[in-house]
Amino acid sequence: DTEVTQTPKHLVMGMTNKKSLKCEQHMGHRAMYWYKQKAKKPPELMFVYSYEKLSINESVPSRFSPECPNSSLLNLHLHALQPEDSALYLCASSQGSERGTEAFFGQGTRLTVV
Amino acid sequence: GQSLEQPSEVTAVEGAIVQINCTYQTSGFYGLSWYQQHDGGAPTFLSYNALDGLEETGRFSSFLSRSDSYGYLLLQELQMKDSASYFCAVKAGSSYKLIFGSGTRLLVRP
Repeated sequence: DTEVTQTPKHLVMGMTNKKSLKCEQHMGHRAMYWYKQKAKKPPELMFVYSYEKLSINESVPSRFSPECPNSSLLNLHLHALQPEDSALYLCASSQGSERGTEAFFGQGTRLTVV
Repeated sequence: GQSLEQPSEVTAVEGAIVQINCTYQTSGFYGLSWYQQHDGGAPTFLSYNALDGLEETGRFSSFLSRSDSYGYLLLQELQMKDSASYFCAVKAGSSYKLIFGSGTRLLVRP
């Protein structure tokens, strides 16, 4: 199984809502990532978890809150978002080793903040 | 910090060969990867270079020169389905940190 599964595929939320994005992988990967991607732009790294601990936070606003309940699951909790946060949110996983190569991406959650 | 530069757009004819360049500035460099992303899809891994030289995988090859902070992706026998965005990405600063370049949109014409 070389799949990263993200839910939901689409999400529309108001600026006062609280919602969560979910990501799951069963490849035994020890690194999991959240990226944000705007149209016609590259994926922008937000957070990295390694061995279920937050290892990298790319100065992301606190209205985005990541959580890694176990080695297979990664959540992104959203609260009080702004319209400019509308984007495709991608989850990825990898071995994370120095010689590790491939990161596997989920299909993403397309988020619209209204 | 890290910065990666790629051409924004490349156009080529079906059956031709195209090279997409990537120059980078990073600290703590581990390796250079290439990803393909079709419109509406997720990035998919193409290749990875940790050491200088050429890596070949089918129609795709990737090259790295660490001394020049430069790499390229070579696509041969182009097909229409190769029309997509191509990103170089560096693992730098940490073996877990994967940062993407600005991306190159490749358009393959008949």
